[in-house]
Amino acid sequence: DAMVIQNPRYQVTQFGKPVTLSCSQTLNHNVMYWYQQKSSQAPKLLFHYYDKDFNNEADTPDNFQSRRPNTSFCFLDIRSPGLGDAAMYLCATSIIEETQYFGPGTRLLVL
Amino acid sequence: GQQLNQSPQSMFIQEGEDVSMNCTSSSIFNTWLWYKQDPGEGPVLLIALYKAGELTSNGRLTAQFGITRKDSFLNISASIPSDVGIYFCAGHHNAGNNRKLIWGLGTSLAVNP
Repeated sequence: DAMVIQNPRYQVTQFGKPVTLSCSQTLNHNVMYWYQQKSSQAPKLLFHYYDKDFNNEADTPDNFQSRRPNTSFCFLDIRSPGLGDAAMYLCATSIIEETQYFGPGTRLLVL
Repeated sequence: GQQLNQSPQSMFIQEGEDVSMNCTSSSIFNTWLWYKQDPGEGPVLLIALYKAGELTSNGRLTAQFGITRKDSFLNISASIPSDVGIYFCAGHHNAGNNRKLIWGLGTSLAVNP
């Protein structure tokens, strides 16, 4: 089945230690998104790629970076995680920028 | 940022009851989406609506795109325990550079067997 895959499902890192979350898709969608979701809140968009065109949200901290080496893969790099960065990170994809399909998420814990 | 008004915030119902939730916006949307999220999982798309007045069903779920394009509702008929979760509405303006989804705050549904 075509899907959005996120690895790992759970990630533990130390305060200030760089961490990378990965997302892959078999849907061949041209748009990929990264969201941050904290408890009892709606997902918050961090950035998205329209093909290779990177679009950063104005309020996304510089601590968050992303890479999309090809259509199928997208990475979220957190350069110096703080305690406030503990959250669920969601990857989503879409054909053009409309109906989005989400992966299962990666739960990040910062110690 | 902009958010949709989603209500109710939470619901606790008996198994077999019908459920209704809705979202309203102060601006016009071209797309309405309804997602369900289980604890520790990503949102799963339930229904997508693309046309004003559109009424779409997916099993026991029915959703409508309001005629004014500023609202949408989701109904669940004959609820079962696995309907438990958080339901989010999301809208898309689909205009110019404003391409991101606008989200409601979610409706938390609990079903008593």
